[in-house]
Amino acid sequence: QSVLTQPPSVSGAPGQRVTISCTGSSSNIGAGYDVHWYQQLPGTAPKLLIYGYSNRPSGVPDRFSGSKSGTSASLAITGLQAEDEADYYCQSYDSRLSGSVFGGGTKLTVL
Amino acid sequence: EVQLVQSGAEVKKPGESLRISCKGSGYSFTSYWISWVRQMPGKGLEWMGRIDPSDSYTNYSPSFQGHVTISADKSISTAYLQWSSLKASDTAMYYCARLTLGTTGYFQHWGQGTLVTVSS
Repeated sequence: QSVLTQPPSVSGAPGQRVTISCTGSSSNIGAGYDVHWYQQLPGTAPKLLIYGYSNRPSGVPDRFSGSKSGTSASLAITGLQAEDEADYYCQSYDSRLSGSVFGGGTKLTVL
Repeated sequence: EVQLVQSGAEVKKPGESLRISCKGSGYSFTSYWISWVRQMPGKGLEWMGRIDPSDSYTNYSPSFQGHVTISADKSISTAYLQWSSLKASDTAMYYCARLTLGTTGYFQHWGQGTLVTVSS
């Protein structure tokens, strides 16, 4: 059971918009700690996609965006492309555990 | 260019010891915490713990405390993850990652991963 909760899977057709939620608690997201998002393509290491809720590292397309609401965060992907098919993970810090925590991951399927 | 280069895949038997490594380059190794992350086959990412290479201070996830040891040798810019007695359940891919913005930050740079297989 992950500290941060994500849906196991989402799907969408090319060109569509999908969102992935990440729900935490008062010891992580609700305590004000930032949420970050990673993309993991099959057989590769995770790649930072969004940091500090909504900031994109250089090279990440603006089709990817992040937001926060209360004790949850969301990743939105617009204009879905086949290359977006991957696993997506949210990450934050948890004060009760005194360490980083990940969501369980969401598998995105592009139909 | 920041790089984290991990040691190669390992195949071990239950009960054996193992140390895998993560060598940082392209930045000041002592200025950023290094974390280790486990990914069991077909499963998600799990944070194991972190080390401050400047003084080797460590924090562990309660799930991994006592089962692994994280260390670092700042003279060669290398962090380590060590087991004294492997179990079959330690079979997984292990990633090192550099923390940005302190201990509550994010992982901008990752190693390529080290696959550890434990089987009799």
